[in-house]
Amino acid sequence: SQTIHQWPATLVQPVGSPLSLECTVEGTSNPNLYWYRQAAGRGLQLLFYSVGIGQISSEVPQNLSASRPQDRQFILSSKKLLLSDSGFYLCAWIWGGETQYFGPGTRLLVL
Amino acid sequence: AQSVTQLDSHVSVSEGTPVLLRCNYSSSYSPSLFWYVQHPNKGLQLLLKYTSAATLVKGINGFEAEFKKSETSFHLTKPSAHMSDAAEYFCVVSSFSGTYKYIFGTGTRLKVLA
Repeated sequence: SQTIHQWPATLVQPVGSPLSLECTVEGTSNPNLYWYRQAAGRGLQLLFYSVGIGQISSEVPQNLSASRPQDRQFILSSKKLLLSDSGFYLCAWIWGGETQYFGPGTRLLVL
Repeated sequence: AQSVTQLDSHVSVSEGTPVLLRCNYSSSYSPSLFWYVQHPNKGLQLLLKYTSAATLVKGINGFEAEFKKSETSFHLTKPSAHMSDAAEYFCVVSSFSGTYKYIFGTGTRLKVLA
């Protein structure tokens, strides 16, 4: 069966520091992968998606970037965090349909 | 353009009473619709989905939803609420543009009273 992992689960970072969040999927190949952000009290915002290795599409211009170095690995990065980057970050995947399956999320607090 | 509107930001019910979470959609073609649940500090779990098969869709944990094209609605129901149902619920419509993208409703927070 398929499993999606995210780490770390929680992260507290100072403003201006770099960021790297990782998402990996097991049990499938060539999935479509997604990064979302959920700010406090708000809905989910699609940040990036990827349909294959090295293929990244950005939905919202901002302080973040994404990379897909391997088929089942999706990384969210920033060179310098802003206070507004705080939120709950969710990774999701699709394979062979249109149902997205979500990971457990990473809680990021920028101070 | 497709969109979903969740009509209630908060719903409170007593344990053992029915649950109704309302969702209206807008779509220029037959949509695929989903309901997800999110417990605090957790990821989203799929409750059920409608993809142009039966209009009454049964999901996990006793939830079901009915697709009503004439009313452009996809309301989520459960006959008897349980304390563990307290969570946030999202109605979602899917559209394809390079990949399947989700348009999320703003969410409904369900509170279950003892």
